[in-house]
Amino acid sequence: GENVEQHPSTLSVQEGDSAVIKCTYSDSASNYFPWYKQELGKRPQLIIDIRSNVGEKKDQRIAVTLNKTAKHFSLHITETQPEDSAVYFCAASIGGSQGNLIFGKGTKLSVKP
Amino acid sequence: GAVVSQHPSWVICKSGTSVKIECRSLDFQATTMFWYRQFPKQSLMLMATSNEGSKATYEQGVEKDKFLINHASLTLSTLTVTSAHPEDSSFYICSASREQIDEKLFFGSGTQLSVL
Repeated sequence: GENVEQHPSTLSVQEGDSAVIKCTYSDSASNYFPWYKQELGKRPQLIIDIRSNVGEKKDQRIAVTLNKTAKHFSLHITETQPEDSAVYFCAASIGGSQGNLIFGKGTKLSVKP
Repeated sequence: GAVVSQHPSWVICKSGTSVKIECRSLDFQATTMFWYRQFPKQSLMLMATSNEGSKATYEQGVEKDKFLINHASLTLSTLTVTSAHPEDSSFYICSASREQIDEKLFFGSGTQLSVL
């Protein structure tokens, strides 16, 4: 079946450093790639997304890059802050259905002050 | 951002009882909602896709008679865990697709179910 691989599973950085999380997907028909941030016991929150017709998107300290040929996409967080600590999930749409997503296993990001 | 409300946030029940969880999109209409299960420190596992006015589509391995889904209106989907057992204890979370605007997905706050 379709699959999304996410790495690393845990990531620890010093405040102010950058953090990068990478995902690969298997469904060549996927065309929508959102990233969610989930704090402990809370709902996942959409932080950024990218569609297949775009190679890069940036929103303040957060950026996402997409390489459709290689089927991988990455989340970049610059100037990390302790409040960035959370679990981050990447996801890829199943075929052309934007709402139907398959999720990566998550990355626990810890930002040390 | 869009608001998806989920209730209850937590529930404790005895084995054999049924539990209903509601998911509401408060400021947009959602023809499609999704139900997930999330185990501690694990990812979201899609259980079923809820379609307004029609039967839900269940993922492989999910018992449709065990997890009843009703999507009676464009703003409400319910998940009923029937004859709950301790192995059904989990964090259940819904999402709704803001189809008529941008198709983005917004999540409910989740329901922690504990079956004794």
